[in-house]
Amino acid sequence: GENVGLHLPTLSVQEGDNSIINCAYSNSASDYFIWYKQESGKGPQFIIDIRSNMDKRQGQRVTVLLNKTVKHLSLQIAATQPGDSAVYFCAEGGAGSYQLTFGKGTKLSVIP
Amino acid sequence: DADVTQTPRNRITKTGKRIMLECSQTKGHDRMYWYRQDPGLGLRLIYYSFDVKDINKGEISDGYSVSRQAQAKFSLSLESAIPNQTALYFCATSVARGTDTQYFGPGTRLTVL
Repeated sequence: GENVGLHLPTLSVQEGDNSIINCAYSNSASDYFIWYKQESGKGPQFIIDIRSNMDKRQGQRVTVLLNKTVKHLSLQIAATQPGDSAVYFCAEGGAGSYQLTFGKGTKLSVIP
Repeated sequence: DADVTQTPRNRITKTGKRIMLECSQTKGHDRMYWYRQDPGLGLRLIYYSFDVKDINKGEISDGYSVSRQAQAKFSLSLESAIPNQTALYFCATSVARGTDTQYFGPGTRLTVL
């Protein structure tokens, strides 16, 4: 099986509760941020993105918040479901570069 | 994501063997990337290509080479595999429009004995 979740911070949430996953980014010049979800045995899947001219962006059951002052990004998942169990990681980009820098991730476990 | 495919999905090989991992995409994106992922680590960029005539090294290119055969195809080679190249390898694509979302393939699990 997949072992990308080893050695990662883990968040355990009861089914139906809201989840908040945090990410501290490193480059104050980054102007583009993405959240990815990686399920066991699969490649990273795009969830939502946000540009630095925004503080908040909402998708279907997900919200991303950006605090540029403290270089912090969060992903909120409403009414967490068992299918949300996965590793979630953020990525930052921009700052004159076409590359993305990825965080190590947080493993979300949903308790039925 | 079926738009980005990788072959093989799993491979076990021995030290010193030459290995090629292949990536194909139907998204029509100009940019393609190769990453490796190790347990507990983030994705690390090996090589990237902005078009068929443009190849660039990433942060961990030593021991790897790439070929961009066409807009839709980007292959990664390990000329002489070593055990510390055991990892998950992902191909990704993005449009040529500044920094933009990268879309990933399903990955190749490579084990070097």
